[in-house]
Order: sequence, then structure tokens, then C-alpha cells
Amino acid sequence: DQQVKQNSPSLSVQEGRISILNCDYTNSMFDYFLWYKKYPAEGPTFLISISSIKDKNEDGRFTVFLNKSAKHLSLHIVPSQPGDSAVYFCAASDGQNFVFGPGTRLSVLP
Amino acid sequence: EPEVTQTPSHQVTQMGQEVILRCVPISNHLYFYWYRQILGQKVEFLVSFYNNEISEKSEIFDDQFSVERPDGSNFTLKIRSTKLEDSAMYFCASSGNRGHEQYFGPGTRLTVT
Repeated sequence: DQQVKQNSPSLSVQEGRISILNCDYTNSMFDYFLWYKKYPAEGPTFLISISSIKDKNEDGRFTVFLNKSAKHLSLHIVPSQPGDSAVYFCAASDGQNFVFGPGTRLSVLP
Repeated sequence: EPEVTQTPSHQVTQMGQEVILRCVPISNHLYFYWYRQILGQKVEFLVSFYNNEISEKSEIFDDQFSVERPDGSNFTLKIRSTKLEDSAMYFCASSGNRGHEQYFGPGTRLTVT
């Protein structure tokens, strides 16, 4: 039962362009959503979060959008940089547990 | 900047042996977590720990596993009688507030042979 889905296993984007990473969830009890970035052989690194009472949160080049009715969130990175190449995990919390999506591997091409 | 640390970085053990994975969470955090990631698969939640007791655990966290906070700084995951399928990266995380962002350690790679 995949409560958090990231349907694109990989994404390639040209440097300077926008990267859009998508995430869908099924559990309506989730009220807090997070994005993490993970490099090989390292632990996930927190990027940005959003509470269910908001529909947008912005931090520098990173913006997360939440569409509660569609149970969908997305992470926008603009402009994309080669150093952004990593696996991006969407995670959702109901206040007790964290559920991670399977991840999307982003490759930013110079 | 405070960070979560984990030791060892790589542990090789024989099937049936016990292992203890160690974590030092960020000092003023109160919530602690263990996750694992089998090679090529997603990060999976194992257990959360608060106020010296388990607050949530997943189906993966069966009687083979236990957690402990033996002192004011360490948080350990013990795996009794390891199996080949326990081979994975094990990540410790901590957070200051329940349900809020967690800060992850670099992970311990466990290899069971």
C-alpha cells in the first residue's frame, strides 16, 4: 500500500531551467509534507516543508506547492544547478509517522 | 552546525549475530527515529522514540529489533540474530518537534553475510 507515490523514477533537466518533482498521497490524515534530497552514501537532507494549511512555501530556489483536494504536491527548483543532481524524496507526516515516497532521481545537465 | 552522527559507517556481520548501531542525535532534540533503506529501494520507517519509550513502530520493527537510549546522548538500534535481508543502510534521525522536519545522520551500512 503506497501511501506516498512519486511516479517519475527519474527526471533530466537542463541547467538553468526549472525542475518540477511531483508527489501524490492517499492518506487524508497527512497534514505535513516535506522534501528531502539524498546524495549517494549520505543520509537524506531536509529541503523544505509545507503544512496542510498552506498551499505554497518558498525558500530561495525551492518552492513547494500543495493541492489538498488533489492530494498532490510538487517541488519546483529554479534555476536548476548541476549540484541539485540527487534523489529527491517526498515525505508525509500525520503527526506520528513519516512515510517516504520511493524517490525521483534528478539529473541537471550542464 | 549541529548534526546527527552515526557509528560505525559500515558494519559487516555474519548471519545470526547481533549488531548494535549507534547514533548521537542533535543535543536538544527530543524525538528520535530509525529508518532503513535496502539497496535500490525506498527509505522505510522503522521506529520512533520519545521520552524513553517507543512511540510508533512499523511492521518491519519486529521482536528482532530493539532501541535504547542508554545515556543522555546515544540512541541505539539492536538487531538480534541478523538475517541476510537485514542488509541495508540504517539511518538515524532526530527532531525537535513531533511531526516536524527530521535531521538525518549519514547512515550505517550493514552487510550480513
